[in-house]
Amino acid sequence: GGIITQTPKFLIGQEGQKLTLKCQQNFNHDTMYWYRQDSGKGLRLIYYSITENDLQKGDLSEGYDASREKKSSFSLTVTSAQKNEMAVFLCASSITGSNTEVFFGKGTRLTVV
Amino acid sequence: QQQVRQSSQSLTVWEGETAILNCSYENSAFDYFPWYQQFPGEGPALLIAIRSVSDKKEDGRFTIFFNKREKNLSLHIKDSQPGDSATYFCAARRAGNTGKLIFGLGTTLQVQP
Repeated sequence: GGIITQTPKFLIGQEGQKLTLKCQQNFNHDTMYWYRQDSGKGLRLIYYSITENDLQKGDLSEGYDASREKKSSFSLTVTSAQKNEMAVFLCASSITGSNTEVFFGKGTRLTVV
Repeated sequence: QQQVRQSSQSLTVWEGETAILNCSYENSAFDYFPWYQQFPGEGPALLIAIRSVSDKKEDGRFTIFFNKREKNLSLHIKDSQPGDSATYFCAARRAGNTGKLIFGLGTTLQVQP
């Protein structure tokens, strides 16, 4: 088995601040994802990457940047934190293929004060 | 607009009953439908999945019934246990669309002892 590690677990930011969330996976998966989870809104895809240095926009990419530095890591940057924003950011990974299981990390909980 | 819809935000059943969680979708190009289970403080984990060529998939107490013509599916949890209390997400993916899962808003199931 493998594991997806997200750091930090909790992140408190100030309005307008640039914040970076990190994700590491040891599954040796090609594809990695960032999802945002809001209470009552399900999971929405921000960015995904099918290989090192690849980047593809999801439905919610505005206000975010991402970087796939190497196969095992994928980071997400909130370019300007919005006041009173509260959400959980979930990193995930899978092997490449249409019916493959997507594995999730435990999330980074963001609060903007 | 919500491409994947879950009909109930919450559901309560008694221990031993069958819990039925319903899901419908818009896009007839979707061909893979996983259900994810999420406990508080954890990331979602794959519970069971079905491809659109099948109309039923069973795994222990969990069964998916799929109706391609009506574009809906349901997750049946037989002999519900208090440990099944969690949020369940229905998701869908288009053929060939590597990894890009579209999630419903989730149904929070409470199993009362």
